[in-house]
Amino acid sequence: AQSVTQLGSHVSVSEGALVLLRCNYSSSVPPYLFWYVQYPNQGLQLLLKYTTGATLVKGINGFEAEFKKSETSFHLTKPSAHMSDAAEYFCAVSASNDYKLSFGAGTTVTVRA
Amino acid sequence: DAGITQSPRHKVTETGTPVTLRCHQTENHRYMYWYRQDPGHGLRLIHYSYGVKDTDKGEVSDGYSVSRSKTEDFLLTLESATSSQTSVYFCAISGLAGDEQFFGPGTRLTVL
Repeated sequence: AQSVTQLGSHVSVSEGALVLLRCNYSSSVPPYLFWYVQYPNQGLQLLLKYTTGATLVKGINGFEAEFKKSETSFHLTKPSAHMSDAAEYFCAVSASNDYKLSFGAGTTVTVRA
Repeated sequence: DAGITQSPRHKVTETGTPVTLRCHQTENHRYMYWYRQDPGHGLRLIHYSYGVKDTDKGEVSDGYSVSRSKTEDFLLTLESATSSQTSVYFCAISGLAGDEQFFGPGTRLTVL
């Protein structure tokens, strides 16, 4: 079984500052990892995913995440926050032989001008 | 955007009434899912389908049933709605095991 823990339910950053969202996973098999973003009153949109291969994954809107097996982590970063990054972010995990996702509780990002 | 629609988008109902939510896809994807989203819980899987007439329970399936008679449609039914089922419901689809899921716009359900 897979599970995800997102550290911090709310993160506040200044515009132009680094965005760092933390995600730790638990999985009994090699994991597939995902970050989704949800803007108010909308569905979830995929930011990026890790399946196999390169451990540093680049996604849309300038976000990237690094898979660290030794730390069971998949933290999401963006070097410079923009006002449009204000949203809720979800980390999710699945296994390569499974089609179900397990989601974290989410982290809400606010961006201060 | 993946072709996923949900209907209705908003619904207010009373305790004890039956409610059916519909998810329709135009992507011909094999897997379909129903989630509920509640503050502090992220998304929790209610039921999922791995093919026509093939469904199974997720982690929060009590009080819900599903049906899938066609590839493109996945119905979620609350047989007798309760206030604890007030939530936002999302449908999702995926094509392959381990692949990303694509989400619909959601249905906001309020049970009074």
